[in-house]
Amino acid sequence: EPEVTQTPSHQVTQMGQEVILRCVPISNHLYFYWYRQILGQKVEFLVSFYNNEISEKSEIFDDQFSVERPDGSNFTLKIRSTKLEDSAMYFCASRGLAGRSYNEQFFGPGTRLTVL
Amino acid sequence: GIQVEQSPPDLILQEGANSTLRCNFSDSVNNLQWFHQNPWGQLINLFYIPSGTKQNGRLSATTVATERYSLLYISSSQTTDSGVYFCAVDADSTLTFGKGTMLLVSP
Repeated sequence: EPEVTQTPSHQVTQMGQEVILRCVPISNHLYFYWYRQILGQKVEFLVSFYNNEISEKSEIFDDQFSVERPDGSNFTLKIRSTKLEDSAMYFCASRGLAGRSYNEQFFGPGTRLTVL
Repeated sequence: GIQVEQSPPDLILQEGANSTLRCNFSDSVNNLQWFHQNPWGQLINLFYIPSGTKQNGRLSATTVATERYSLLYISSSQTTDSGVYFCAVDADSTLTFGKGTMLLVSP
């Protein structure tokens, strides 16, 4: 069964460093998302991406964040200058365009980011 | 934005017991999903259920869209069912999650 994959599973970085989190969505999906979950809290929407552009973003997704689909398979989230409060689990998700359950989002296993 | 409330916030069960988790939402939705977050933090898709009833083994879910709630039933619970159960809804293609129900199943 196709699945969303994410790398790395864990990332430890120093405050102020840039990090890139990578995702490979399900191959025929066209909508891509990033969500984050601070430890002990609920999952929050960051950004959605469709047709090579951001379709929606939350207040959390400020100028320190950017997303890119550099090729036909990868979808990345970049944090330019990490802060302590960026420490969280980051989930990538994707969904298809058509079909009986086309609104269903499929989540990757997450990347746990720790900023020291 | 849409509000999602889950109850109860915490639940402790003996192995073999049944339970019902509830999700209330404040507006019409296109999508409702239930997830189980395992001890490693992974979100496991349980159900995509914007309306109606579905069953998968010991788990089943019902969404009454007109009354804006969904229920997740766990029967004959096992210790591996422990974790956090999240309900998430979308009205505009982005998912809004509830705060979850933390379930602990003791042997």
